[in-house]
Amino acid sequence: NAGVIQTPRHKVTGKGQEATLWCEPISGHSAVFWYRQTIVQGLEFLTYFRNQAPIDDSGMPKERFSAQMPNQSHSTLKIQSTQPQDSAVYLCASSSLSQNTLYFGAGTRLSVL
Amino acid sequence: GEQVEQRPPHLSVREGDSAIIICTYTDSATAYFSWYKQEAGAGLQLLMSVLSNVDRKEEQGLTVLLNKKDKRLSLNLTAAHPGDSAVYFCAVSAASSGSWQLIFGSGTQLTVMP
Repeated sequence: NAGVIQTPRHKVTGKGQEATLWCEPISGHSAVFWYRQTIVQGLEFLTYFRNQAPIDDSGMPKERFSAQMPNQSHSTLKIQSTQPQDSAVYLCASSSLSQNTLYFGAGTRLSVL
Repeated sequence: GEQVEQRPPHLSVREGDSAIIICTYTDSATAYFSWYKQEAGAGLQLLMSVLSNVDRKEEQGLTVLLNKKDKRLSLNLTAAHPGDSAVYFCAVSAASSGSWQLIFGSGTQLTVMP
């Protein structure tokens, strides 16, 4: 079991460019979560899918951020027109529906110049 | 909504000493409690989790205590060693069937000195 896989590990974009972050959950896990981590804000919940359906996106910024889960093997977080304040580590986690335990990937460090 | 406070933000101990990290929460419906460890450049590693019907859990040198009356959760690392140096986070959720959102504490940077 390779755990939750996030790619890329590091991404550098210029201001105004688009960034797409990928997450492959643990095989068999039905729930996928996205969190953002910064020094100032700490760990912030962004969004959550269950059986590929969006369940709670209350943490997603209303503009420029979107997340999808087109199949059970991957989820994407897309940030359009990136801004310097989007710079953060974006963490993906997955869980089985029978447990409350979240297993995290190593994260994608996004740097917007 | 749920508020989680974690302290201390920084903790330095000598090798072999114990280290205690405390979180307080506000929502009495909170039912799931966990502790994560984050090493530099890595994701979060689950250390231990408990449900609200558990007051104490010990595993491999770690002790989690849950005081529901005071809404306080603690992590005690007994006999800490340099490999324990990392950032530790508590995380809680209401854990009802539809509520999976984990609320994290602000983290504790633990340094264990040889």
